[in-house]
Formats: sequence, structure tokens, C-alpha cells
Amino acid sequence: QVTLRESGPALVKPTQTLTLTCTFSGFSLSTSGMCVSWIRQPPGKALEWLARIDWDDDKYYSTSLKTRLTISKDTSKNQVVLTMTNMDPVDTATYYCARARHYGDYLEVMDVWGQGTTVTVSS
Amino acid sequence: DIQMTQSPSSLSASVGDRVTITCRASQNIIIYLNWYQQKPGKAPKLLIYAASSLQSGVPSRFSGSGSGTDFTLTISSLQPEDFATYYCQQSYSTPRTFGQGTKVEIK
Repeated sequence: QVTLRESGPALVKPTQTLTLTCTFSGFSLSTSGMCVSWIRQPPGKALEWLARIDWDDDKYYSTSLKTRLTISKDTSKNQVVLTMTNMDPVDTATYYCARARHYGDYLEVMDVWGQGTTVTVSS
Repeated sequence: DIQMTQSPSSLSASVGDRVTITCRASQNIIIYLNWYQQKPGKAPKLLIYAASSLQSGVPSRFSGSGSGTDFTLTISSLQPEDFATYYCQQSYSTPRTFGQGTKVEIK
């Protein structure tokens, strides 16, 4: 059974750095085609894709947020970490991690999601 | 970045109705379009991938079609558990992008 769980602070202050951890089980991030993505959703708004790390350690970021984001993995611990610098109240959202599976060059599905963790940015 | 535009933003329908949601990409994404369902307070759930392939375990009343820039999600006979928000998402290029969502409400 594949599961993912997000963890991190529920409250951060403006200008601080947010560190979120995705702990997963049931698959290996060393397996070809396996990836983990981060997605967020501000209250009442749409989903926003943030970043992805692949089995071969390739990393991809949102165009608008790439200067603030860093994604990394610890394969031995089955964890993926996302850091976001210079947090602002507009970054208040539920943050999800999801397993993404690649089939060829273009087909990618986010087929299992964590339950999400809510982060509020406020002084 | 590829922009994804869904229509309508919301709709009201009754149990048993046929419901159609459209998604338009700002450029050709061939068939690399996924659909997700999200219920309040829950994580999104994958319904359809590669425009028309049904994810395992998803009821057959859900179907997807389209290619290029125009795609459709159809629910053939709306059930009470289908009232939710639906998102399209392209996997043709990185960064991945989602539509703004379509909320399906009870009439």
C-alpha cells in the first residue's frame, strides 16, 4: 500500500523559511519513473503545482516560485523535503505531496496523494 | 507555462444528470491531460489520465475525451458522491499546471 504524509509547522512568520517533509512508504524513489511532487492550495482556491523531484535526482520548479523553492530527497529515509524561503501571508495554504509516476516522456500521473498539511503565515 | 482553462467554473445539476466539463490548453498538449476530483477537506483523487484512460477503481460513469487543446470530462449519470470540484492538469511540459477547477453542486 502506497502512502504519503506531509509534516511541518502549522504556523510560520512572514520572512521565515518553511520546511516541509513528505514521508512515504510502499514505493522507492530509486525506481525508474518514480517521482514526488508538491502541490499547494490556498483556502477556497485552485491547486498550484510547486515542484517535483525524480528518481534520478532531476528537479523541477514552478516558474513563479523557483527562486524560493528547493526540493531534495533522502532515499534511505523515504523522505522528500521542500523548503520555501521568505514566506508571506499569501503563501497560506494546504500543502500536499503526491507520488508521480512517469510513463515515457510526457505521461505522468499523480496517483497517490498525502492528506495535506495546513500552513498559516502570520505574525 | 501552459495555461489550462476550465469551463464552467461551477454548475448545478441533479442526481442522474449527464454532466460535461471542458478544459482548454493554451497550446497543443497532445493527450497529456489528467482529471482529478476533490471533495471538501480532502486530497485530490486521480480519475482520468492521458485524456481518456480510467484510473483503476474509478466508476465507469466517468469518461474523458479530447486531444490537442480541447478536452472533456463527462459524468454519464451524476451520483450523490460525485458532488465535488474537478480539476484538469497537463503533464506535457514542466512546470505542470492545473485548471482553476469546476465545482459541481446539487441543484
